[in-house]
Amino acid sequence: ETGVTQSPTHLIKTRGQQVTLRCSSQSGHNTVSWYQQALGQGPQFIFQYYREEENGRGNFPPRFSGLQFPNYSSELNVNALELDDSALYLCASAVSGGDTGELFFGEGSRLTVL
Amino acid sequence: GQSLEQPSEVTAVEGAIVQINCTYQTSGFYGLSWYQQHDGGAPTFLSYNGLDGLEETGRFSSFLSRSDSYGYLLLQELQMKDSASYFCAVITGANNLFFGTGTRLTVIP
Repeated sequence: ETGVTQSPTHLIKTRGQQVTLRCSSQSGHNTVSWYQQALGQGPQFIFQYYREEENGRGNFPPRFSGLQFPNYSSELNVNALELDDSALYLCASAVSGGDTGELFFGEGSRLTVL
Repeated sequence: GQSLEQPSEVTAVEGAIVQINCTYQTSGFYGLSWYQQHDGGAPTFLSYNGLDGLEETGRFSSFLSRSDSYGYLLLQELQMKDSASYFCAVITGANNLFFGTGTRLTVIP
């Protein structure tokens, strides 16, 4: 059983650019959530996808968008990058309907915006 | 919105017991989870409380009081490897989790 994998692991962008981060869910999981974790802070919920539809969103602007594909992999897109977008972006998968609070996280993509 | 409060840092001696408290304010509360995160690593699930009371998993226990909007994580027989950040997270439905700012636990010999 493979876990949650994310790519790329590190990347550097400049302000105003766009970025796409990718995530492959753990086998058998059909929901995927994205989190932003700034240094020294807790993960902040961006949104969750289930059946290729957004299924919950945190307090993030529309320039943060996502996709979930039929194979349950996912993308996070961030447009018009700002310096404050520099953070670790975590993807987490789970089985829907559980509501057990158990998410399986990937190692994250560390984004630096210059 | 959601608001969670945890102590920012805790230090404890190897072999001892430590309790990390979490108070929260939220709407649509389903339960409280706890996660551990080592430096440079991914958060890993420790426990979940959907009902009031104590849940025990090995050296770790977690408690929830819905009426007090309060929970805690109890770590027993502390080991050096337990040095990490610990996060409480409220579940608002459909496994949407909102995390606290975390408690950095340092275990000393």
